[in-house]
Amino acid sequence: QPVLTQPPSSSASPGESARLTCTLPSDINVGSYNIYWYQQKPGSPPRYLLYYYSDSDKGQGSGVPSRFSGSKDASANTGILLISGLQSEDEADYYCMIWPSNASGVFGGGTKLTVL
Amino acid sequence: QVQLVQSGAEVKKPGASVKVSCKASGYTFTSYDINWVRQATGQGLEWMGWMNPNSGNTGYAQKFQGRVTMTRNTSISTAYMELSSLRSEDTAVYYCARGWHDVDTAVYYFDYWGQGTLVTVSS
Repeated sequence: QPVLTQPPSSSASPGESARLTCTLPSDINVGSYNIYWYQQKPGSPPRYLLYYYSDSDKGQGSGVPSRFSGSKDASANTGILLISGLQSEDEADYYCMIWPSNASGVFGGGTKLTVL
Repeated sequence: QVQLVQSGAEVKKPGASVKVSCKASGYTFTSYDINWVRQATGQGLEWMGWMNPNSGNTGYAQKFQGRVTMTRNTSISTAYMELSSLRSEDTAVYYCARGWHDVDTAVYYFDYWGQGTLVTVSS
């Protein structure tokens, strides 16, 4: 199974933006995959946020604010979750996920976002 | 409203098996896959596999092949995940999650989750 690399932690202040990354291994082209993002708060199951393939092929989870958006950096083979206008309630763990092969999925290691 | 309600916490000895249930309500059980995801304490999420409740077809992560079995009882809208040959590293919270898919695209994500079941493996 491929390994999706996420920084263990990230921090930003309220009102600022947070850019969370998910780097795919070199043998998997980020351009070929939907990148899914989940948010998890302590003691709760994860919550689906969104998926991103391209600017014309993306989707937001039900009730997820538009402050959460996805993108890709093809040069870095990386999927990106951007959270703008950070709020204290955004403090959580964030996980990316892909389906590298039909019917088999893999999560990244997760990033703990601290809102200072 | 859609709900996935899981069975209660379990304590098992190494080498034993555990079977966790996930009862669905608020939607047609056979219309959506059920996936299982686990999370060791303080660790990340780990996808274990999926099951199509309509056909009974399954797909397991390579790591769990031979040790995990996912089944269902459609008459009571309940999915099960059984993990055998338990070891201490299997101590984790196990989640069931409904798989939503767009039949016209490759989009597939987990839109509803159970509350989680803590499985503790200890001698």
